[in-house]
Amino acid sequence: SQKIEQNSEALNIQEGKTATLTCNYTNYSPAYLQWYRQDPGRGPVFLLLIRENEKEKRKERLKVTFDTTLKQSLFHITASQPADSATYLCALEMEYGNKLVFGAGTILRVKS
Amino acid sequence: DTGVSQDPRHKITKRGQNVTFRCDPISEHNRLYWYRQTLGQGPEFLTYFQNEAQLEKSRLLSDRFSAERPKGSFSTLEIQRTEQGDSAMYLCASSLETTSEFFGPGTRLTVL
Repeated sequence: SQKIEQNSEALNIQEGKTATLTCNYTNYSPAYLQWYRQDPGRGPVFLLLIRENEKEKRKERLKVTFDTTLKQSLFHITASQPADSATYLCALEMEYGNKLVFGAGTILRVKS
Repeated sequence: DTGVSQDPRHKITKRGQNVTFRCDPISEHNRLYWYRQTLGQGPEFLTYFQNEAQLEKSRLLSDRFSAERPKGSFSTLEIQRTEQGDSAMYLCASSLETTSEFFGPGTRLTVL
């Protein structure tokens, strides 16, 4: 069956450390993988997109890796801040502009 | 504000009643998506439009659900004969063919 799995437990880290979130998928062949941030009671906000032929993408303090052999993406936030506390969603896109298939998300809590 | 807007933000209804939600996408976006999200889960795709054409519907969209985008601008999602299992956040997103999806704030539906 098709599955997208993200860290099931909340991730608690200290301010200034690097947060690493995992997204594993089974029986999908995504052309693109996206990461979104969602705050309580609000819609998801797009952060980064990585293509199947890209290994790594960076944007400011964010870094995403994509390994299509392992069927895994890692999402890193360096120098984390309490304002980074939110739920982070991984989403697969089979072709560009098509619907997104989301994981359940990982709650990140950054403590000062 | 030039983002995606949704109305109402909250709706409480009794089982068996009909409800209608509205989504106004970003003005130049030709693609519009509806998702549903329950607590602790990621958004699940319901349906998507390119301009006024409804191009895909999920199996989640039972015959009690109908969506329209009559002039290729705003969209409505109607749920007839609501059930308690319909309680969720209904999210709308829009995009161009070359951009990621921009989500609205969602409409939270509670069916009593």
